Amino acid sequence: GAVVSQHPSRVICKSGTSVKIECRSLDFQATTMFWYRQFPKQSLMLMATSNEGSKATYEQGVEKDKFLINHASLTLSTLTVTSAHPEDSSFYICSATDWTQSYNEQFFGPGTRLTVL
Amino acid sequence: DAKTTQPPSMDCAEGRAANLPCNHSTISGNEYVYWYRQIHSQGPQYIIHGLKNNETNEMASLIITEDRKSSTLILPHATLRDTAVYYCIVRVSGNTGKLIFGQGTTLQVKP
Repeated sequence: GAVVSQHPSRVICKSGTSVKIECRSLDFQATTMFWYRQFPKQSLMLMATSNEGSKATYEQGVEKDKFLINHASLTLSTLTVTSAHPEDSSFYICSATDWTQSYNEQFFGPGTRLTVL
Repeated sequence: DAKTTQPPSMDCAEGRAANLPCNHSTISGNEYVYWYRQIHSQGPQYIIHGLKNNETNEMASLIITEDRKSSTLILPHATLRDTAVYYCIVRVSGNTGKLIFGQGTTLQVKP
């Protein structure tokens, strides 16, 4: 299957700072990328959907001003957690897909563990 | 998107077949059944998907009932590395087809 990478794999930051997480599709062009959040012992929760060159579509209850998503190219999307607080500590996972392909499965990155002190 | 129901946990002996059930009684005609798994602290991994015919790949087989209201994922020879949370998801194919994860089934493969 196709490869999706995330950077960094884990980050620790102080409360009030902003953190940027990158999601890259390494061997295919991702027309659409998704961002998920997962708290311990819980399932993945979809945060937003981003199409290349367009504004992201956020799920209900997700603050768009707090979780800034940019999808400027077909291989890169970024999630910036602004003014992070301890309750934002979570496992953030991206996925990518190419809707022009017949299979159009979503391929997931390895995740980024965010800890806010 | 239709909801799915899966047992919260299952055990399987190493080397035996693991059969993971999923109910999706409200599935629509244009919705596919997808299976993903998540090994602890990793991103989900795609396993298989199907519309109405049974499917098989190098990882697993997917058996979908004729009325499409339920399906079974079969891992033919489970290994310890198959221990994971398995998610059954139904969604429309195409760019409106978001993956909405339920609670999944935690499969524990035991030696």
